[in-house]
Amino acid sequence: EIVLTQSPATLSLSPGERATLSCRASQSVSSYLAWYQQKPGQSPRLLIYDTSNRATGIPARFSGSGSGTDFTLTISSLEPEDSAVYYCQQRSSWRAFGQGTKVEIK
Amino acid sequence: EVQLVESGGGFIQPGGSLTLSCAASGFTFSDYTMNWVRQAPGEGLEWVSYISSSSSTMRYADSVMGRFTVSRDNAKNSLFLQMSSLRAGDTAVYYCARQCTTCYVGFDYWGQGTLVTVSS
Repeated sequence: EIVLTQSPATLSLSPGERATLSCRASQSVSSYLAWYQQKPGQSPRLLIYDTSNRATGIPARFSGSGSGTDFTLTISSLEPEDSAVYYCQQRSSWRAFGQGTKVEIK
Repeated sequence: EVQLVESGGGFIQPGGSLTLSCAASGFTFSDYTMNWVRQAPGEGLEWVSYISSSSSTMRYADSVMGRFTVSRDNAKNSLFLQMSSLRAGDTAVYYCARQCTTCYVGFDYWGQGTLVTVSS
């Protein structure tokens, strides 16, 4: 079973700053990683699929990178509406999620 | 417009059974692998199960294996999750989610969720 570990648990930044979120897999997941955003009271929303592809309607300030066991979600310039919990997900027989990173906007 | 609408949640005693439904519209349901994902109160996302487009393949998380059964009715554009031997730890919002077909990993549409509360 592949385990995903996200860091940091919480990220507190100001609008306009760059956010870097990490997702580390216990074994290689190749390029099979997705990222989601979830705001309070809402369903998750797909941001990035297959490591680096933005989903439909996702702003260009969101980007993904990595391969193997180390992946990064970058928000180039934070907007107030980016305050949310972000989850990574891998593809295996069990579509496991990481535990999430909460992004707070100061 | 793609829509996924879950129903069937509620309050159930430990050991009881419940069946969740997910009504799909706005896309060709029979073309897509579907998933169930749950989220306990204040916790993260937990993948529960998936079923392939033709029902030929089903998979389950270890935490629900042998207790939950996923099924679908492509003629009625519906996804189901039969839950039995329910435990307090199964208390969560249950989401159905569509597997993206143009990607290897990603759930591109989610329902609004239905809350299951297991308590005596």
